[in-house]
Amino acid sequence: RKEVEQDPGPFNVPEGATVAFNCTYSNSASQSFFWYRQDCRKEPKLLMSVYSSGNEDGRFTAQLNRASQYISLLIRDSKLSDSATYLCLSSNTGKLIFGQGTTLQVKP
Amino acid sequence: DAGITQSPRHKVTETGTPVTLRCHQTENHRYMYWYRQDPGHGLRLIHYSYGVKDTDKGEVSDGYSVSRSKTEDFLLTLESATSSQTSVYFCAISEPSGGARQYNEQFFGPGTRLTVL
Repeated sequence: RKEVEQDPGPFNVPEGATVAFNCTYSNSASQSFFWYRQDCRKEPKLLMSVYSSGNEDGRFTAQLNRASQYISLLIRDSKLSDSATYLCLSSNTGKLIFGQGTTLQVKP
Repeated sequence: DAGITQSPRHKVTETGTPVTLRCHQTENHRYMYWYRQDPGHGLRLIHYSYGVKDTDKGEVSDGYSVSRSKTEDFLLTLESATSSQTSVYFCAISEPSGGARQYNEQFFGPGTRLTVL
């Protein structure tokens, strides 16, 4: 079992839809979590950090559930430009583990 | 955008040859990382550095070595390239702020596409 797991998708949704991704982690000692966005053949870029108290940035909301060991990303009112791969990152003092990414395709 | 460059951006080489990839930053960040990205595996950490001459292994370090002689440069060397090392290599930097956010946000370079024939 991988230490950080994501459903690779693809998630195909219409414009305006709300979509949510989960990322589960197995190491309970993991300290920090992040969501990155990666466009095709480009470098990953930080989308948002994830805190226990939740984190919202416009249409994007990230949550951390330590009891169940997962983080989530919610995208409201999906835009065509949201089409990308979303990667979660778990870090624990020198150990940085990415999930394999979830692909989102937003259709007109 | 963070000032990170990688060179070369593309390289084709033959099995058994040595290859060195360079990552250069202008942000004066303490931490630097090398990842490889392959279909079905996502990003996997090869090596990282937490200061000049201070490096440590990541998840997939076999067959790779690194060196950091100054803050701005982090070199990744494949001593004898194999076809299994065909991949896209990303460098990243970060500046930890301590505490629970010790490993702070990472900023990535544009990547190097390496093909080993």
